[in-house]
Amino acid sequence: KNEVEQSPQNLTAQEGEFITINCSYSVGISALHWLQQHPGGGIVSLFMLSSGKKKHGRLIATINIQEKHSSLHITASHPRDSAVYICAVSPLGTASKLTFGTGTRLQVTL
Amino acid sequence: GAGVSQSPSNKVTEKGKDVELRCDPISGHTALYWYRQSLGQGLEFLIYFQGNSAPDKSGLPSDRFSAERTGGSVSTLTIQRTQQEDSAVYLCASSLWGLLGGYTFGSGTRLTVV
Repeated sequence: KNEVEQSPQNLTAQEGEFITINCSYSVGISALHWLQQHPGGGIVSLFMLSSGKKKHGRLIATINIQEKHSSLHITASHPRDSAVYICAVSPLGTASKLTFGTGTRLQVTL
Repeated sequence: GAGVSQSPSNKVTEKGKDVELRCDPISGHTALYWYRQSLGQGLEFLIYFQGNSAPDKSGLPSDRFSAERTGGSVSTLTIQRTQQEDSAVYLCASSLWGLLGGYTFGSGTRLTVV
C-alpha cells in the first residue's frame, strides 16, 4: 500500500462543475502539498498545508490531520484546469523528502 | 533568474553513454531537489541539497547516479553508463528554506536512452 493514496485516478468533468480530489496518507507529516502538472511536464506548487484550509482563486485545499486526509476543490471548473493533480507529503523527520501520490488526471470539457 | 531553469529540455542518448543534466535554481534559494518521473509513474525523490550541508543522496537509485552543487547555486546530475530504465523526466526544484518554505519546479529534462 502506498503511503499516499489519491482518488479518483481519472476524472472527467464538464465546464462549470465543482470538482473534488481526495488524498489520504498513512504517515505522520509536517506538511502536505498539492501540485499541478500540465501536459508537457511543467509542475506548479498550488498549496502547502499543515492544518485547516487555504484558498487561492477557484482552488480550495483542506486538510484534516487527525483523519490523515486532504481534499483539493476546484469551483467553476474550466478546460484550462485540465491537468494532473498530485498530492505529496513531507513525512515527519524527513526534512528533504516528499512522498508523492500517483496523481489524479482531470479533464474538463466544454 | 525568475524561475528554475533546466537544460537540456530533451536529451536522447545511446545506452552506455554518460549524460549530464543541469539545474539553475532561483537566485537565493538555498535548497535544491532532484526528482525523477518515469513514464506512467509518480514522482520519485533522488537527492537534496541544503546550503553547505552534506546532501541527502538516499534517493539515488544506483552508484551510476551522482550530483553536485557548485557554489550553492547550479547543480549537475550525472548519470554514468546510461541504461534504458533511466529514461524519464528529471525535474529540479528549489526553495528558500526547504520543503516547509514552498518550492518552485523547473520544466524538466526528458531523457531517452536508446
